[in-house]
Amino acid sequence: EDKVVQSPLSLVVHEGDTVTLNCSYEVTNFRSLLWYKQEKKAPTFLFMLTSSGIEKKSGRLSSILDKKELFSILNITATQTGDSAVYLCAVWGYGKLTFGQGTILTVHP
Amino acid sequence: DAGITQSPRHKVTETGTPVTLRCHQTENHRYMYWYRQDPGHGLRLIHYSYGVKDTDKGEVSDGYSVSRSKTEDFLLTLESATSSQTSVYFCAISESWAGGPNYGYTFGSGTRLTVV
Repeated sequence: EDKVVQSPLSLVVHEGDTVTLNCSYEVTNFRSLLWYKQEKKAPTFLFMLTSSGIEKKSGRLSSILDKKELFSILNITATQTGDSAVYLCAVWGYGKLTFGQGTILTVHP
Repeated sequence: DAGITQSPRHKVTETGTPVTLRCHQTENHRYMYWYRQDPGHGLRLIHYSYGVKDTDKGEVSDGYSVSRSKTEDFLLTLESATSSQTSVYFCAISESWAGGPNYGYTFGSGTRLTVV
């Protein structure tokens, strides 16, 4: 059975801090790993990673995949209160996405 | 999200009653999915469909059934609702079996179901 595990499950920081969210996986027929941000509604797409070692960046967010060690990290630098959300990692295996439990990030002013 | 709608958005029902949630898409995507989301569990797959009348079970399918008689509609039925099925239900669509270049899924806005 496909499995995706995220850590930590929750994180509280202050504005300006840098955070690292972790995602490990065991998935047959791995095709890609995705990160989503969810704020009290449907998840919104952040990144899709398919190759090891290639960092994806979007503003203060970046992510990288290690297909040998089966994990990914999502970094957020200079956090803002608007970054408060649940961050979901998902892995595309055979025909479907398997999600991790999510990391609840709270950023205090 | 544009192209995918869920109904109803909110529902309160009594234990033991049947409930049907509807997912409607206008994208003509072949693949459709039902997930439930509960605190501490992320999104868990209930059932999915890879074409009209072609469906399969996900990891938490007990107590749920689905039907897809048209490309655009995917129905999720709780045969006899229980309190453990209180959750937020998300429908999602995908144009590709292999994830493709389209960022995985397009999600509906969700249905908040409360079973009392």
